[in-house]
Amino acid sequence: GENVEQHPSTLSVQEGDSAVIKCTYSDSASNYFPWYKQELGKRPQLIIDIRSNVGEKKDQRIAVTLNKTAKHFSLHITETQPEDSAVYFCAASQDNFNKFYFGSGTKLNVKP
Amino acid sequence: ETGVTQTPRHLVMGMTNKKSLKCEQHLGHNAMYWYKQSAKKPLELMFVYSLEERVENNSVPSRFSPECPNSSHLFLHLHTLQPEDSALYLCASSQDSGHLAFFGQGTRLTVV
Repeated sequence: GENVEQHPSTLSVQEGDSAVIKCTYSDSASNYFPWYKQELGKRPQLIIDIRSNVGEKKDQRIAVTLNKTAKHFSLHITETQPEDSAVYFCAASQDNFNKFYFGSGTKLNVKP
Repeated sequence: ETGVTQTPRHLVMGMTNKKSLKCEQHLGHNAMYWYKQSAKKPLELMFVYSLEERVENNSVPSRFSPECPNSSHLFLHLHTLQPEDSALYLCASSQDSGHLAFFGQGTRLTVV
């Protein structure tokens, strides 16, 4: 089965700096890669996703990049704000398969 | 918030009790999931139902028993649990496959 690894497990940045979280996956058949943000005590919420036919996707201050050859994808947050502090999860899945494999999560702390 | 609703939000049960977790989605999705979220571990996929049929049982102990009576409702029946089963149990739904977007708020389960 698929194995998703996520790094780092914790990340502390100063407000205004950028943050990068990286994930690798093992199954080359995976073709959908969502990212979730989970604030303390709340449910995971989808913040951005990317499909394998796209190398990069951007939504305001967040972006995701995908390198299919290397089987890794990354979340980039620019101009970080204290409200970005949360745990971020990456995941990988295949179309037509109802299976999602999650990374172990990255706790992001944005210091004001 | 609407979308995916889980009840109860918190549950404390003894090891000999029987209880059920409920999940309801109002999004018209045709796939529903149970995930277990333990501290410092990745989200663990437990069960997947697609079109009301179980398509995945991810090596979950038989003390967890899912039920999906229709495409809008999903239950997780619990009996003779162990303290290590204490965790946050998250329900999620998606339309077709490859696009997991919505989680419920979870049930915080404590087994004493």
